[in-house]
Amino acid sequence: DSGVTQTPKHLITATGQRVTLRCSPRSGDLSVYWYQQSLDQGLQFLIQYYNGEERAKGNILERFSAQQFPDLHSELNLSSLELGDSALYFCASSVGEGGYQETQYFGPGTRLLVL
Amino acid sequence: GENVEQHPSTLSVQEGDSAVIKCTYSDSASNYFPWYKQELGKGPQLIIDIRSNVGEKKDQRIAVTLNKTAKHFSLHITETQPEDSAVYFCAASKRSSASKIIFGSGTRLSIRP
Repeated sequence: DSGVTQTPKHLITATGQRVTLRCSPRSGDLSVYWYQQSLDQGLQFLIQYYNGEERAKGNILERFSAQQFPDLHSELNLSSLELGDSALYFCASSVGEGGYQETQYFGPGTRLLVL
Repeated sequence: GENVEQHPSTLSVQEGDSAVIKCTYSDSASNYFPWYKQELGKGPQLIIDIRSNVGEKKDQRIAVTLNKTAKHFSLHITETQPEDSAVYFCAASKRSSASKIIFGSGTRLSIRP
């Protein structure tokens, strides 16, 4: 158990809808990262927040947004969902700003199915 | 752009034998190389990592080697056991974009009894 929690575990929704995925980092970790894992694209970095502020951005679509709250939990919002958004979404956390060589600990993921 | 290639995509070995997974990276500035193990229904878990100033690192049955000149690194698992069955990902990052870890496409390792 990495100490990172994610809810919900599974989510089924329809195209055009909006969903929110939630992540609680390990105790003491200040950075939260979001990743998308799909069969054709592999594990892709979406975005990082450090202590409430956006720190780094990866291949995140404009329809997706995230935020980190004062208690350090994070939410990933996915809107105008398309079939291709069906994937596993992972959250990871690390102790600092995401500096080089800093270990990221992954949560169990949220499996999103868009029908 | 940055890219990490991983081979093979699937690997089946007899229990007790060794398994080797190889990765190459494109960005010569990459200097941190973690390996993750993902079991069914779980998130990736760090199993070992190596920094660019080290050529080899070992942790019990797991070892990683790095060849900076050739820009490739490998994971070696010896005396494989059934619980080693999982998907393994190599990854690379560099100082200037440290948050952005580039993952390989994964290797599904199966251990035959």
